[in-house]
Amino acid sequence: DGGITQSPKYLFRKEGQNVTLSCEQNLNHDAMYWYRQDPGQGLRLIYYSQIVNDFQKGDIAEGYSVSREKKESFPLTVTSAQKNPTAFYLCATGARQGGFNEQFFGPGTRLTVL
Amino acid sequence: RKEVEQDPGPFNVPEGATVAFNCTYSNSASQSFFWYRQDCRKEPKLLMSVYSSGNEDGRFTAQLNRASQYISLLIRDSKLSDSATYLCVVNPNSGYSTLTFGKGTMLLVSP
Repeated sequence: DGGITQSPKYLFRKEGQNVTLSCEQNLNHDAMYWYRQDPGQGLRLIYYSQIVNDFQKGDIAEGYSVSREKKESFPLTVTSAQKNPTAFYLCATGARQGGFNEQFFGPGTRLTVL
Repeated sequence: RKEVEQDPGPFNVPEGATVAFNCTYSNSASQSFFWYRQDCRKEPKLLMSVYSSGNEDGRFTAQLNRASQYISLLIRDSKLSDSATYLCVVNPNSGYSTLTFGKGTMLLVSP
């Protein structure tokens, strides 16, 4: 069963705690991305990785960290330094399809800070 | 000027109607363009990649005007199941670069 999986689906965190969101893919896509979506807002890029052991900051990387030790996995850690972490977090993979750089999304994780 | 700008919506239409969404982008060097559909509280799903001047897939037609930096999505014979938010997405570069997302336009199709 191919695709992108994210876990958990819902996550509740107390202020001051770090949490890690999982993203796994078996599509053999090289590129992986993390986005954040807030109500009424467009998707904003947190981090992305085009190849194993390499990643770049997106537009809103402060308070987040990532790793890319395997092609299949791109976990995101939301640290206590992130001031407003409650949001819908989406992981995506990127593939070239007919010359287009298309991205495909996992089902997302809803993080709520209590 | 915002990088990708869409009609704010929502668009309320009856079943069977034709509806058009508009999108403008600011980066004239943008390479490729997409329409995604996002259902409430779900992930975005790729609806169409926009080729050259435009392309059609069933009831959906996307058009691109590079000179005006304008993309449109036309939905004919709207179905209840078309109710969703439609995101205009632009790739400013080639390769595995990042995408720029519009805020989306919500469509509500009523019986």
